[in-house]
Amino acid sequence: EMQLVESGGGIVQPGGSLRLSCAASGFTFSTYWMYWVRQAPGRGLVWVARVNPDESVIEYADSVKGRFTISRDNAKNTLYLQMNSLRAEDTAMYYCGKDRNWNALDVWGPGTMVTVSS
Amino acid sequence: DIVMTQTPLSLSVTPGQPASISCKSSQSLLHSDGNTYLHWYLQKPGQSPQLLMYEVSSRFSGVPDRFSGSGSGTDFTLKISRVEAEDVGVYYCMQGIHLPLTFGGGTKVEIK
Repeated sequence: EMQLVESGGGIVQPGGSLRLSCAASGFTFSTYWMYWVRQAPGRGLVWVARVNPDESVIEYADSVKGRFTISRDNAKNTLYLQMNSLRAEDTAMYYCGKDRNWNALDVWGPGTMVTVSS
Repeated sequence: DIVMTQTPLSLSVTPGQPASISCKSSQSLLHSDGNTYLHWYLQKPGQSPQLLMYEVSSRFSGVPDRFSGSGSGTDFTLKISRVEAEDVGVYYCMQGIHLPLTFGGGTKVEIK
């Protein structure tokens, strides 16, 4: 069974940092594009970032560009999101997702909650 | 950015009755390869989103055939032929052709 499990969320002060992880299993992680999508409480889905299998292509939403870094370790089947200079508006559930094809995400993790508050 | 507009915001449906959700994009989602990259997701209460339909009308693995997708260019529709209790949740369309990837605002489906 294909599975993704996020971790690393928590409560952080404005300006702080967090590193999210997404552990993958049940599929050949190293061959798929991977994504981060977030959802603020009571709000809709927002794409954050994506990375191709060998990290040669990395793309971000404008709202996180320069503050967040997506990366992956194919040997460990793990996706990461390094989040710096966090703001209150970054408060959200963060989901990782696996691409089926052309940005149709066919596997999602249960999410990890990030709260930015003083 | 491509704006995805869903209507209605919410839908209350009697079990066994049909339901329909509209999704309009501010730009065409037709790619030069001939495919249209419009996908539908369902987020059930308390769960993460799940892929329902990809490329307008292809049902993802395990999705019941009471779900169907149609449309082209900028106008798309998700239909449920006979709503069941397990179909409750928020439905999102998403365009997969242009960055930034963007989702519709969501349509909440409830059972009467």
